[in-house]
Amino acid sequence: QFALTQPPSVSGSPGQSVTISCTGTSSDLGTYNRLSWYQQPPGTAPKLMIYEVSYRPSGVPDRFSGSKSGNTASLTISGLQAEDEADYYCSLYTTSSTYVFGPGTKVTVL
Amino acid sequence: EVQLVESGGGLVQPGGSLRLSCTASGFAVSTYFMNWVRQAPGEGLEWVSVIYSGGSTYYADSVKGRFTISRHNSTNTLYLQMNSLRTEDTAVYYCARENRYCSGGTCFLGSFDYWGQGILVTVSS
Repeated sequence: QFALTQPPSVSGSPGQSVTISCTGTSSDLGTYNRLSWYQQPPGTAPKLMIYEVSYRPSGVPDRFSGSKSGNTASLTISGLQAEDEADYYCSLYTTSSTYVFGPGTKVTVL
Repeated sequence: EVQLVESGGGLVQPGGSLRLSCTASGFAVSTYFMNWVRQAPGEGLEWVSVIYSGGSTYYADSVKGRFTISRHNSTNTLYLQMNSLRTEDTAVYYCARENRYCSGGTCFLGSFDYWGQGILVTVSS
C-alpha cells in the first residue's frame, strides 16, 4: 500500500527559507516522478504549486521550488512571506492508477 | 476561464445516499481526467475517485463498491453517486481536474490543476 510521510509542521521568519519533505518508498516515489505539491490556506480549496517533482505552473512565484533525492521529495519556499502560511500536501500518482496524499505540513510564518 | 462548481451536498443519515454534481466551464470534462478528493473536518486530503477521458474509472479502497463516478458530456457535469454512506464519509468534497499532456518527449500526469470550492457532506443521525 502506498503511503507518504511529511513533517506535521515547519516554521520560519519572513525572508527565511523553509523546506518540507515528503518521503515514500523506493518502489513509488523512488522510481516515478508523478509527485505534486498543493498549498491550502485555511478555509480554501487546494492550489497546485509544483507538479512532476519540480515543474511550476504558470502564476506560481519562483520562490517555490521542488526537488527529489532518492525516496524523498522536497518543497522549498525561499524568501518566506506571511501569505505563504498554509497547509502543504504532497501527492503521488501511483502505479495502481490511484493517487495518494501525504498527511500535510502546516507552515507557520513567525 | 476554467471553473468548477460543486453542488448537492448536505446532511444525510447513515446508510443513505447522496449525489454530488460538479459543473465545469471553460473546458470539456470529457477530454480530461476528472477526480473527486475529500477532506474530513480538521483532516488532510484523501483522493476518492477518477474518471479517465476514455471512461475508465478507479476508486479508493475506502469507497469502492459504494461510490460511483460518472459524467454527462452534454451538460459538462461530473457526478459522484454515494450510497451506503457512513459517518466517516463526512467531509468537504472537491472536484478536481487532472491535466495530462506530453511535451518534448516527457508526459506529465497525476497533478490536479483546477479545483472546485468544495461542498460539505455530513453523514449523521
